[in-house]
Amino acid sequence: AQSVTQLDSQVPVFEEAPVELRCNYSSSVSVYLFWYVQYPNQGLQLLLKYLSGSTLVESINGFEAEFNKSQTSFHLRKPSVHISDTAEYFCAVSAMDSSYKLIFGSGTRLLVRP
Amino acid sequence: DAGVTQSPTHLIKTRGQQVTLRCSPISGHKSVSWYQQVLGQGPQFIFQYYEKEERGRGNFPDRFSARQFPNYSSELNVNALLLGDSALYLCASSSWTGSNTEAFFGQGTRLTVV
Repeated sequence: AQSVTQLDSQVPVFEEAPVELRCNYSSSVSVYLFWYVQYPNQGLQLLLKYLSGSTLVESINGFEAEFNKSQTSFHLRKPSVHISDTAEYFCAVSAMDSSYKLIFGSGTRLLVRP
Repeated sequence: DAGVTQSPTHLIKTRGQQVTLRCSPISGHKSVSWYQQVLGQGPQFIFQYYEKEERGRGNFPDRFSARQFPNYSSELNVNALLLGDSALYLCASSSWTGSNTEAFFGQGTRLTVV
């Protein structure tokens, strides 16, 4: 079985400051890793994913995440946030042998202040 | 192209009633998954259907059932509603199963049980 832990329920940050949203996972098998973003009253949008290869993955809007197998982590970072980045961020995993099923963390609310 | 569409967007039901939620996947996608997102938590996997067959089931009681139609749209049924069934129900579609591909989420159906 897999589990995902997002220790920070809310992260307040000022505009243009850097941010890191933490994600740790547990699994007895190899996994794929994801970050999804959810804006108010909307569904989930895929932000970025790690399937294989380079452990550093980037999104088109400046976010990046690094897969660290030894620490079982997949932290999300952005060097400079905007007001529009205010949203709920979910880390998720799926086991490679049952990749249809996403296991989500409890989410981190990123609150960007002017 | 239209994204994943879900209907209705909101509904209110009374305890003990039954409810049917609907999902139309992205054109060409044959896989539909359902997730339950209780307020303040991450989504939890309920079902996955591919080519009209159930391919995966989460840890939900038998009151929850689903089906997929020849056009790949899907319905989620919940019988004998409980207050704890109040949640955002998300549908996700993807192009195929067997290996990980991106899941596209709809905006969800907000179910309130009173």
